[in-house]
Amino acid sequence: EAGVAQSPRYKIIEKRQSVAFWCNPISGHATLYWYQQILGQGPKLLIQFQNNGVVDDSQLPKDRFSAERLKGVDSTLKIQPAKLEDSAVYLCASSQRGLAVQETQYFGPGTRLLVL
Amino acid sequence: KQEVTQIPAALSVPEGENLVLNCSFTDSAIYNLQWFRQDPGKGLTSLLLIQSSQREQTSGRLNASLDKSSGRSTLYIAASQPGDSATYLCAVVWGTSYGKLTFGQGTILTVHP
Repeated sequence: EAGVAQSPRYKIIEKRQSVAFWCNPISGHATLYWYQQILGQGPKLLIQFQNNGVVDDSQLPKDRFSAERLKGVDSTLKIQPAKLEDSAVYLCASSQRGLAVQETQYFGPGTRLLVL
Repeated sequence: KQEVTQIPAALSVPEGENLVLNCSFTDSAIYNLQWFRQDPGKGLTSLLLIQSSQREQTSGRLNASLDKSSGRSTLYIAASQPGDSATYLCAVVWGTSYGKLTFGQGTILTVHP
């Protein structure tokens, strides 16, 4: 079974530029999560999708961050414009049903973003 | 506020030693608690998941315990090996969330030969 795929693996941009990250979850997984992990901290949930609907985006900075999962499969996370404090690893995870809270989430390798 | 804290932030031990990593959480109404491992440049791998009704889970040399009343969990690693070197993260799902994981800041473990 293929795991969660993410691209790119690394990205360096200047502040005020825009950037987009892509995630392809495990086939058949209904729930997709985007986490932000700042150096030295644990991951923080940005947004959770159930199929193509948003379940939780309470910690997403909506003035600059946006995410979509149009067909309920892969997803894109965008930052526009980027700030220095957005430098972090962006992790994507998926789970089979998601609303069954005892499930394991499977994580991708992450995209490391550096904003200069 | 629901928070997860891990102590210590970093730990260095000689190979073969048994060790304990600690995790504490502020709200005892948890649904489950998970321990993850993170290797540099890689994603997270789930090690153990403890449901709120359970007291412990075991997998190989790993044993995780849960005490909801005191808001604590421990991860015990027996006979540590250099390959165990990684960051260990504790994460909690509270009953009011839809599977949302709240993570601690992690413990960086180094096992030296």
